[in-house]
Amino acid sequence: KQEVTQIPAALSVPEGENLVLNCSFTDSAIYNLQWFRQDPGKGLTSLLLIQSSQREQTSGRLNASLDKSSGRSTLYIAASQPGDSATYLCAVLPLTDSWGKLQFGAGTQVVVTP
Amino acid sequence: DAGITQSPRHKVTETGTPVTLRCHQTENHRYMYWYRQDPGHGLRLIHYSYGVKDTDKGEVSDGYSVSRSKTEDFLLTLESATSSQTSVYFCAISEGQSETQYFGPGTRLLVL
Repeated sequence: KQEVTQIPAALSVPEGENLVLNCSFTDSAIYNLQWFRQDPGKGLTSLLLIQSSQREQTSGRLNASLDKSSGRSTLYIAASQPGDSATYLCAVLPLTDSWGKLQFGAGTQVVVTP
Repeated sequence: DAGITQSPRHKVTETGTPVTLRCHQTENHRYMYWYRQDPGHGLRLIHYSYGVKDTDKGEVSDGYSVSRSKTEDFLLTLESATSSQTSVYFCAISEGQSETQYFGPGTRLLVL
């Protein structure tokens, strides 16, 4: 069974620093990997989706890399802002399952201090 | 934001009562999902649908049933609610089975 791990569980950085969030998965047979953001009491917002054939994906200050062979993805957020404070979740879509059954990590809670 | 609404947004019920949660989408997406989110367990898939009247079980389907009679609506029913079903329930939709999933705002359910 695919297992997705996010370390650390919580992270605090001063405003302006770059954020580096890690996601690891045990089975490299994946369709894609997705990064989400969740604000307290809210639903998930999709940030980036990386296909298994891609090495990275970028959107504004966000950049996500994927190393499928080593089972790792990293989300970089440049020049962090207090508004980036949220919980960030990664999820993988296993190749063995074709019905969108995402496997989620537990998330990294990020606090950006002014 | 994807057009997904969930109702009710909050519900308190008693053990043994039936509960139905509704997910409504305006995007005409084929795939719909129900997840629950619990501390220490993260997000887990309960049931999903790949078309009208086409549904299947997810990871934690015991005690839950679903129905989808129209493209836009996906209902989750707790036949006889238990305290272990106290959770936050999220609906999600996607255009394709490997496409980005878009999530609704969630329903907080408390079973006393």
